[in-house]
Amino acid sequence: EAGVAQSPRYKIIEKRQSVAFWCNPISGHATLYWYQQILGQGPKLLIQFQNNGVVDDSQLPKDRFSAERLKGVDSTLKIQPAKLEDSAVYLCASSLGTTAENEKLFFGSGTQLSVL
Amino acid sequence: GNSVTQMEGPVTLSEEAFLTINCTYTATGYPSLFWYVQYPGEGLQLLLKATKADDKGSNKGFEATYRKETTSFHLEKGSVQVSDSAVYFCALSETNAGKSTFGDGTTLTVKP
Repeated sequence: EAGVAQSPRYKIIEKRQSVAFWCNPISGHATLYWYQQILGQGPKLLIQFQNNGVVDDSQLPKDRFSAERLKGVDSTLKIQPAKLEDSAVYLCASSLGTTAENEKLFFGSGTQLSVL
Repeated sequence: GNSVTQMEGPVTLSEEAFLTINCTYTATGYPSLFWYVQYPGEGLQLLLKATKADDKGSNKGFEATYRKETTSFHLEKGSVQVSDSAVYFCALSETNAGKSTFGDGTTLTVKP
């Protein structure tokens, strides 16, 4: 079974530039998440999709971050403009659903973003 | 809001030592509880889970029991190996909501 695919693996940009991350979840997984993991901390949820609809984006800084899930499969997360404090690993995760039987998260390898 | 607190690390043990990593949580309702592990150079993966009070999750010799009365989900292993060296994250998810809240992780190093 193919895992969650993310690209790019690393990205270095200057502050005020824009950047986009891509995620392809496991086939058949209805729920997709973007997490931000700052060095030394646990992952923090940015946005949750159920199929192609947003379930929770309460922690997404909407003045600079945006995300979409095309046709309920792939997803992109964009930052524009980037700030120094956005330096982190951006993790994509997917799950079959949200019930107790289906809520196990499968994570991608992440994109490590450095903002200079 | 929901929160997860893990014991601060790093933790360094000798091979075959007993491991405990403490985890306590704050949540409304009856969340599911998880331990995820991140081995060096790899992505996060589920280690074990428990979905209701008094459930015990187990995998690869690790165990954790869902204690509602103490709001805890401590991770234990009787005899650690060098290959257990990794970062361990405790997490919870709200009932039928899916989204997980993570602790800050505990780094375990096992020396031969």
